[in-house]
Amino acid sequence: DTAVSQTPKYLVTQMGNDKSIKCEQNLGHDTMYWYKQDSKKFLKIMFSYNNKELIINETVPNRFSPKSPDKAHLNLHINSLELGDSAVYFCASSQDAYNEQFFGPGTRLTVL
Amino acid sequence: SQKIEQNSEALNIQEGKTATLTCNYTNYSPAYLQWYRQDPGRGPVFLLLIRENEKEKRKERLKVTFDTTLKQSLFHITASQPADSATYLCALDDQAGTALIFGKGTTLSVSS
Repeated sequence: DTAVSQTPKYLVTQMGNDKSIKCEQNLGHDTMYWYKQDSKKFLKIMFSYNNKELIINETVPNRFSPKSPDKAHLNLHINSLELGDSAVYFCASSQDAYNEQFFGPGTRLTVL
Repeated sequence: SQKIEQNSEALNIQEGKTATLTCNYTNYSPAYLQWYRQDPGRGPVFLLLIRENEKEKRKERLKVTFDTTLKQSLFHITASQPADSATYLCALDDQAGTALIFGKGTTLSVSS
């Protein structure tokens, strides 16, 4: 069984479009995260959700909006995509902020 | 703000030798530090967690040290194998204890 899954694995789209990436975890964890890994492989936190409440929100553009329908899911919606949004986006989960995180396989987003 | 540095982007060693990776941090005192492994095209995988009151942690061929005076962690892989070739990421909790801040990683190559 996959612990943290993301769909789609690859996403190619045009500038200005709106897209969503889905994430699900079956570990029963209370906290989920979204990270962005740029072309230089730098992994940066974007959002985290704890029990359906946003607890951190890094300085990302408000075009990015996390949506959590329940504790097992944290989706990422992106409006008006820009070239600079091209990156690999990782979802992760953990029991709490003080424990190990389990990462999904990543979604490679390419904006043309 | 917190700053994390991993000593080198790349480290090349011969099979059987011990690989030592360094993680330095400045401007704060984390409660814990984690190490992850990332293979190309995959999400990071948790390896070890060490807390501020622990000096050393071991797991099979892996050893992590945490020196809060030097503000440094060392990550050792003994009897290294080509299969250990990957990027290794150091991560620390942020000051609020709500998320991880990752270093840029060190790519280890073990040649046979």
